[in-house]
Amino acid sequence: EDKVVQSPLSLVVHEGDTVTLNCSYEVTNFRSLLWYKQEKKAPTFLFMLTSSGIEKKSGRLSSILDKKELSSILNITATQTGDSAIYLCAVRALITNSGYALNFGKGTSLLVTP
Amino acid sequence: NAGVMQNPRHLVRRRGQEARLRCSPMKGHSHVYWYRQLPEEGLKFMVYLQKENIIDESGMPKERFSAEFPKEGPSILRIQQVVRGDSAAYFCASSPDVGLNTEAFFGQGTRLTVV
Repeated sequence: EDKVVQSPLSLVVHEGDTVTLNCSYEVTNFRSLLWYKQEKKAPTFLFMLTSSGIEKKSGRLSSILDKKELSSILNITATQTGDSAIYLCAVRALITNSGYALNFGKGTSLLVTP
Repeated sequence: NAGVMQNPRHLVRRRGQEARLRCSPMKGHSHVYWYRQLPEEGLKFMVYLQKENIIDESGMPKERFSAEFPKEGPSILRIQQVVRGDSAAYFCASSPDVGLNTEAFFGQGTRLTVV
C-alpha cells in the first residue's frame, strides 16, 4: 500500500523563525510530489516537484525533492502569522495507463505566534 | 475559467437521510478525486473517477457510499442513510488527462453536518 508520511504533525514557532517540514513516501510508479497549504478552506497549491535536487522557490517558501531518499522538505524562512496553516504533501503515482493516484499525508499543522 | 465548483457549501442532514454532494471539475479536466477531512485530520482519499468510469474506489466505505461521474454533468458523491460519523468536510479535486503531469485543483468543499 502506498504511503505518504509527514513530520512533524504539528509545530509552534515564533514570528521570524525558519521552519522545515518533512515528507517521505513509499509509492510505486512515482510521478510527482506536491505541496499544498490549507487554511480554513480548500487546499491551495504551492509546489510540484518531479526532479531530484532542483529547488522550487516562491518568496519565503522553498522546496526540494530527494528521489534517492524518497523525501521532500518544505522550508519557510522569516515566518509570519499568516503562514499558520496545515501544510499537506501529496504524491502522484501512476496506477493505470489512464490514471494517477493522488495520496496525501496527514499534514503538518503550523502555528506561528507573534 | 472557473475553478472547481462544489455545491452545496454546507449541508445539514438528519440521521437516515441521503446526502448528495456535487463537484464540477475545471474546464478541460477529466479526472476527479474525492477526499474526506475530519476535524484536525488530513485528507483521506475516497474515490477517483474519470468520465463514466471509476478508476479507484479503495478509500470508499463499502456500505452507503457511492460516486459517479457521468458523461454530462458534475461528479456526485452520494451518502445514503447518513450517520453522525459522516459529518466532515468533503473535498473534490480535478486534474487534466493523465498525459499532463500537473497539479490537482481543489474545490471549496462541502461541509456535511448530520444531526
